[in-house]
Amino acid sequence: DAGITQSPRHKVTETGTPVTLRCHQTENHRYMYWYRQDPGHGLRLIHYSYGVKDTDKGEVSDGYSVSRSKTEDFLLTLESATSSQTSVYFCAISNTGIHAGELFFGEGSRLTVL
Amino acid sequence: AQSVTQPDIHITVSEGASLELRCNYSYGATPYLFWYVQSPGQGLQLLLKYFSGDTLVQGIKGFEAEFKRSQSSFNLRKPSVHWSDAAEYFCAVGSLRDYKLSFGAGTTVTVRA
Repeated sequence: DAGITQSPRHKVTETGTPVTLRCHQTENHRYMYWYRQDPGHGLRLIHYSYGVKDTDKGEVSDGYSVSRSKTEDFLLTLESATSSQTSVYFCAISNTGIHAGELFFGEGSRLTVL
Repeated sequence: AQSVTQPDIHITVSEGASLELRCNYSYGATPYLFWYVQSPGQGLQLLLKYFSGDTLVQGIKGFEAEFKRSQSSFNLRKPSVHWSDAAEYFCAVGSLRDYKLSFGAGTTVTVRA
């Protein structure tokens, strides 16, 4: 199994509070991704990173920011959480983007915003 | 923009019966196509992928998929389903120009005894 650790795995918070989810990898993979999973929508890309300090937006990036100061860590921040951000968040990594390989997924972080 | 449609939200199949999950994609360039499986409470695991060449690809756990360019489809099949195949299945598309995948909404498979 790819060495991907997401933390926290479960979090309950209140509307308006900041939240940071952490993805840590031990594979030294270049690419890292944050997806959210919601019923009826599958997985939707929030942000991704193609190197240290190199990030770009995905299809549902509003209300989210990311940072990647070192290869192994990719942080997802909700500056002011809203109930619509209640979801399961998955981190994924890849050594080659999707060009020749696959994405390896973490086990997910379940976030509930009350 | 690339997109993936999985027409079936939920499929119920008897153990030992065959299974086919549908996937249609929309993409202007040559697509890279994937099927992932997600067991309850778990992350996603790659079943198989298609980049080029033979349009019938074999994957893990006895699954196969066929790429049909004329139909923009990449359907997943298994000849004989086991109870352990109960899970959610996602089709995904990407391309050489992209660093990312776009996923379909998923198909939940229930296996009955």
